[in-house]
Amino acid sequence: ETGVTQTPRHLVMGMTNKKSLKCEQHLGHNAMYWYKQSAKKPLELMFVYNFKEQTENNSVPSRFSPECPNSSHLFLHLHTLQPEDSALYLCASSLNAGGRYTYEQYFGPGTRLTVT
Amino acid sequence: AQSVTQPDIHITVSEGASLELRCNYSYGATPYLFWYVQSPGQGLQLLLKYFSGDTLVQGIKGFEAEFKRSQSSFNLRKPSVHWSDAAEYFCAVGERGSSNTGKLIFGQGTTLQVKP
Repeated sequence: ETGVTQTPRHLVMGMTNKKSLKCEQHLGHNAMYWYKQSAKKPLELMFVYNFKEQTENNSVPSRFSPECPNSSHLFLHLHTLQPEDSALYLCASSLNAGGRYTYEQYFGPGTRLTVT
Repeated sequence: AQSVTQPDIHITVSEGASLELRCNYSYGATPYLFWYVQSPGQGLQLLLKYFSGDTLVQGIKGFEAEFKRSQSSFNLRKPSVHWSDAAEYFCAVGERGSSNTGKLIFGQGTTLQVKP
């Protein structure tokens, strides 16, 4: 596998379910990002991780719980979601090295989430 | 905080016609600028980037963009559009986030429709 992969590609869940989204990058990057993309809104940055440490949480509700066990893997744990959480969830990675960063991000194909 | 504005939400061009998508940014220093393309239901693919040097940058799929500091613009162009170029296009500027992690600030996106 190359690039950034995301699983599952599609997910339908009820409001009482618990599910997880997975992201894996094969680019040797050390920063990873979760974005939410809704039909009517621009890309919303949710979380940022650098070397497994969370560096940003943009006021995301606690029903979204990220986890970054290492620089290659990123998870988004979902529980008691609302219908308005239905969206495309995108993962991205980039290289931040010694304070020098390229800003260039590589994106996965996304997970289309539908909350019923 | 930085911001990116894409004034055109939706653009329709005929196949074979030229294309220009507008992007304006607000940033004090020399910005790191990007254009991404997103096909329906897919992730974002990097088209091109500007960091420094020549203000006219070439990208993939025959796209180019020109950085104009005086106008705070980074417009995307293509001389002859193909039907496969129909997609959503995002302009972005790099910003330093918390803990020295780079992040991208995205515009709202421009949807390109190509008429046969």
